[in-house]
Amino acid sequence: KAGVTQTPRYLIKTRGQQVTLSCSPISGHRSVSWYQQTPGQGLQFLFEYFSETQRNKGNFPGRFSGRQFSNSRSEMNVSTLELGDSALYLCASSPGGVGDTQYFGPGTRLTVL
Amino acid sequence: GENVEQHPSTLSVQEGDSAVIKCTYSDSASNYFPWYKQELGKGPQLIIDIRSNVGEKKDQRIAVTLNKTAKHFSLHITETQPEDSAVYFCAASVSGGSYIPTFGRGTSLIVHP
Repeated sequence: KAGVTQTPRYLIKTRGQQVTLSCSPISGHRSVSWYQQTPGQGLQFLFEYFSETQRNKGNFPGRFSGRQFSNSRSEMNVSTLELGDSALYLCASSPGGVGDTQYFGPGTRLTVL
Repeated sequence: GENVEQHPSTLSVQEGDSAVIKCTYSDSASNYFPWYKQELGKGPQLIIDIRSNVGEKKDQRIAVTLNKTAKHFSLHITETQPEDSAVYFCAASVSGGSYIPTFGRGTSLIVHP
């Protein structure tokens, strides 16, 4: 069974721009979570989608948003990029819930200049 | 909310030695404790997990122990090899549903040949 895939793997943007990241979960998994990973803050939870509905949300500003499609694929969007948004963005899928075993993708490395 | 403390932040061992990483958690409701290994340039990969109804679980050279009374759990790696070098994360969550997992800050394990 194919693992979690994320595109693109690397992205360079400038301040003020917006970006959209994509995640395809493991087949059959209905929950997709997004995390931001930085050296200073570690792994921080952004939000979780289950059956096209946002079920949980972390403590991030409204510039960070996401959605999930009927095939469970998910996208996250960051508007008005700031230098501090530079990070590795990880997507994780699980069969039923964010508290279940999560399987991570390779991540998208976002650099904001 | 849940708080997970992970120690040490860096661990350096010689090939063949054992390595132990410890985590403590605060929320007694947590009952699912996964461990992830993250290699450079990759997303975290689940290596072993334990649920609160067991005290120890082993998988070849890797074992995890859980003490629910003291609210701590540990990862033990025996006969370490250079390819074990990576960052290891612990996490605590409530299995099922929408309880958001809390991750430790990570331990950088370096195995010297």
